[in-house]
Amino acid sequence: AQSVTQPDIHITVSEGASLELRCNYSYGATPYLFWYVQSPGQGLQLLLKYFSGDTLVQGIKGFEAEFKRSQSSFNLRKPSVHWSDAAEYFCAVGPNTDKLIFGTGTRLQVFP
Amino acid sequence: DAGITQSPRHKVTETGTPVTLRCHQTENHRYMYWYRQDPGHGLRLIHYSYGVKDTDKGEVSDGYSVSRSKTEDFLLTLESATSSQTSVYFCAIGMDASGGATGELFFGEGSRLTVL
Repeated sequence: AQSVTQPDIHITVSEGASLELRCNYSYGATPYLFWYVQSPGQGLQLLLKYFSGDTLVQGIKGFEAEFKRSQSSFNLRKPSVHWSDAAEYFCAVGPNTDKLIFGTGTRLQVFP
Repeated sequence: DAGITQSPRHKVTETGTPVTLRCHQTENHRYMYWYRQDPGHGLRLIHYSYGVKDTDKGEVSDGYSVSRSKTEDFLLTLESATSSQTSVYFCAIGMDASGGATGELFFGEGSRLTVL
């Protein structure tokens, strides 16, 4: 069965620092991979997705993620974090695109 | 704006009572989903739908039923609410292209349900 793990429940960074949020998945074939962000009191918004091809994908708000098959990982990165990036981030995986399994989320706190 | 609304946004009810949450979309999308969000569990899929009268179970479907009699409405029903169903419920619609779903979901703002 497919699954996705986000090992970090809570991360704190200073504004302007770089960020990497970890995501590991378990699936027999190449999965469809996604990162979503949830601001307080809101629904989730898609940041980026990977289906195939170039393993480094660019998303909105300056985020990027790299698919590493050997490590079963799809980590989210941003070179310089802004205070407005404080939110909860969810990695999601699917064997296809019509039914996603979400990780438990990583809450990002940004200090000025 | 994907035109998705959930109602009610907040509800408090008692154990054993029936509850129906409504998800309404204005853009005729085929794929619709109900998730619940709980601390430490992230989002878990309850039920989903690929079209009118075409629904299926997700990973946490026990105690829930759904109906989709019109493209625009996807109803989630708790036949007899329990305290374990206290949660925030999110409806989502899936974007689709000619080849099928794209994986991009648009979420409603959530319905907070408290079962006493």
